[in-house]
Amino acid sequence: GNSVTQMEGPVTLSEEAFLTINCTYTATGYPSLFWYVQYPGEGLQLLLKATKADDKGSNKGFEATYRKETTSFHLEKGSVQVSDSAVYFCALIGGSQGNLIFGKGTKLSVKP
Amino acid sequence: NAGVTQTPKFQVLKTGQSMTLQCAQDMNHNSMYWYRQDPGMGLRLIYYSASEGTTDKGEVPNGYNVSRLNKREFSLRLESAAPSQTSVYFCASRGEGLQGGELFFGEGSRLTVL
Repeated sequence: GNSVTQMEGPVTLSEEAFLTINCTYTATGYPSLFWYVQYPGEGLQLLLKATKADDKGSNKGFEATYRKETTSFHLEKGSVQVSDSAVYFCALIGGSQGNLIFGKGTKLSVKP
Repeated sequence: NAGVTQTPKFQVLKTGQSMTLQCAQDMNHNSMYWYRQDPGMGLRLIYYSASEGTTDKGEVPNGYNVSRLNKREFSLRLESAAPSQTSVYFCASRGEGLQGGELFFGEGSRLTVL
């Protein structure tokens, strides 16, 4: 079945450091891929998405490229801020019901 | 611009008690979902509803029931709460058209079962 694997956390970085959170997937065909972010005490909100191979999603300085050859959708940001501290979830559309299948989440803490 | 609204935000139950989590969306979406979030487990789908009047089981439906009351509302019921149901519950609705695939989430309902 479809699944998402993302790197274990927590990840702790200093402000202005480079961020990579790895995400790989197993799926039939080429599903749309998503990164969601959850700030403390809040629900999930869409950070970025890509709907087909080689698409690059971007938002708030974050980027991720849909790589079908490596079945990956790694999240990157060139210079993180304290306000980026959150839990990040990689996800794909799982099936005919249109629900998202999530990775287990990666907690990011950015220190000043 | 309310989006997806869940109530209550917090609830403490004793084992065996029942309760209903309410969810409403004002975006005219057809599909709605209930997930639970547990540490180290990500989000897991409990039930979903593809349209008014239809519901289907997700990955972890045991111990839960749902009702799609109308297009706006999708409730989750725990008939006899168990400590294993201590979790944070999220309702979501699915965008269509240009928003295709994107899920919009409520702020969550934190449930503790003693």
